[in-house]
Amino acid sequence: NAGVTQTPKFRVLKTGQSMTLLCAQDMNHEYMYWYRQDPGMGLRLIHYSVGEGTTAKGEVPDGYNVSRLKKQNFLLGLESAAPSQTSVYFCASSNGKVNEQFFGPGTRLTVL
Amino acid sequence: AQKVTQAQTEISVVEKEDVTLDCVYETRDTTYYLFWYKQPPSGELVFLIRRNSFDEQNEISGRYSWNFQKSTSSFNFTITASQVVDSAVYFCALIMGDNYGQNFVFGPGTRLSVLP
Repeated sequence: NAGVTQTPKFRVLKTGQSMTLLCAQDMNHEYMYWYRQDPGMGLRLIHYSVGEGTTAKGEVPDGYNVSRLKKQNFLLGLESAAPSQTSVYFCASSNGKVNEQFFGPGTRLTVL
Repeated sequence: AQKVTQAQTEISVVEKEDVTLDCVYETRDTTYYLFWYKQPPSGELVFLIRRNSFDEQNEISGRYSWNFQKSTSSFNFTITASQVVDSAVYFCALIMGDNYGQNFVFGPGTRLSVLP
């Protein structure tokens, strides 16, 4: 099993460009999450999903959109990238709200 | 509101020393869950432990142990006889056990450096 995978691993964008980060999990988990990690701030929840076709906002949702069309995939979109979105993005999945989360390897995004 | 504080930003120890990483949390709920994750230099996040609010029994796993004290809202993590491979950033996290919302809150992390 691959667990949780993220595509791409690195990306550099110019301000105003758009992009989509893909997260895939093969553990048949219902819950999926997108976090961003910034120095000294731990991980902050951007959006999450409690099942196929559902999405909800987390702590820092502004500037991001998500979709969960298939149970195994969770997409994070940036419509108009800003330098403040430079960060490391982690996807995670779990089989229950209070269960351990399994994390992907992360995507390092730089917005110039 | 929920909050997790890890007051120690960075800790350095020499190999074989014991080290304790502090975690203090705030929540108004009576049902909640606490976690510790490890992030080694390679960047991935590794789950270490989960503890629910009704189980104050301390946990030991090899060189790792956890001390959960509701009276002081703390969930501290101790590494005994530290090794260089323990060098990582350690995160404490908290989630409420209610049936709505998804407030999984991470602390800012403690960077542990174990020197040979």
